[in-house]
Amino acid sequence: DAKTTQPTSMDCAEGRAANLPCNHSTISGNEYVYWYRQIHSQGPQYIIHGLKNNETNEMASLIITEDRKSSTLILPHATLRDTAVYYCIVKNSGGSNYKLTFGKGTLLTVNP
Amino acid sequence: GAVVSQHPSWVICKSGTSVKIECRSLDFQATTMFWYRQFPKQSLMLMATSNEGSKATYEQGVEKDKFLINHASLTLSTLTVTSAHPEDSSFYICSAPRWTENTGELFFGEGSRLTVL
Repeated sequence: DAKTTQPTSMDCAEGRAANLPCNHSTISGNEYVYWYRQIHSQGPQYIIHGLKNNETNEMASLIITEDRKSSTLILPHATLRDTAVYYCIVKNSGGSNYKLTFGKGTLLTVNP
Repeated sequence: GAVVSQHPSWVICKSGTSVKIECRSLDFQATTMFWYRQFPKQSLMLMATSNEGSKATYEQGVEKDKFLINHASLTLSTLTVTSAHPEDSSFYICSAPRWTENTGELFFGEGSRLTVL
């Protein structure tokens, strides 16, 4: 699976949009971009995933560049409960390969 | 609501004892489940892949005789930490994939915090 690069930490004001970047320049054509987050002392939580089109769900939006070498997770109106480590993971979603390799992620701190 | 559940959420045990952690998929069947370990301020590290009806596959450096995995049904995998020692104290997390349309989502349990005295 392709490697990803994320900033170590970011801050965001409550109520503002949080934009979390991820670089995945070696992504291959059949690899998806997944985002998970982990609130302190909890298991990771699935947020969103996409292949090449932008995606939106009730939690967030995922913007993938046209060349697919980077993406941005957008939390439109961050709340204090969104403070967590956010992981960007690139993997092939085909077949039964669901092993996820977690990097260090981005610690997002939402400030009041 | 949760789709993957772990039990217990936390456990404290004496050195030398064995501890069993359960992972259940609540509304779907999972032929494969994954076990992760997370030390403080570190990322999740995959320990092993649990396969229903067959032996688990362990990642390099993980002792299979130390961390016994049993996946006896399509909704339950167990991890037993045998002869636990303080260095085994960690946050253990399981996960299971659930298919939606033609892609799958990997859901994680709430985690089980093990403290070995």
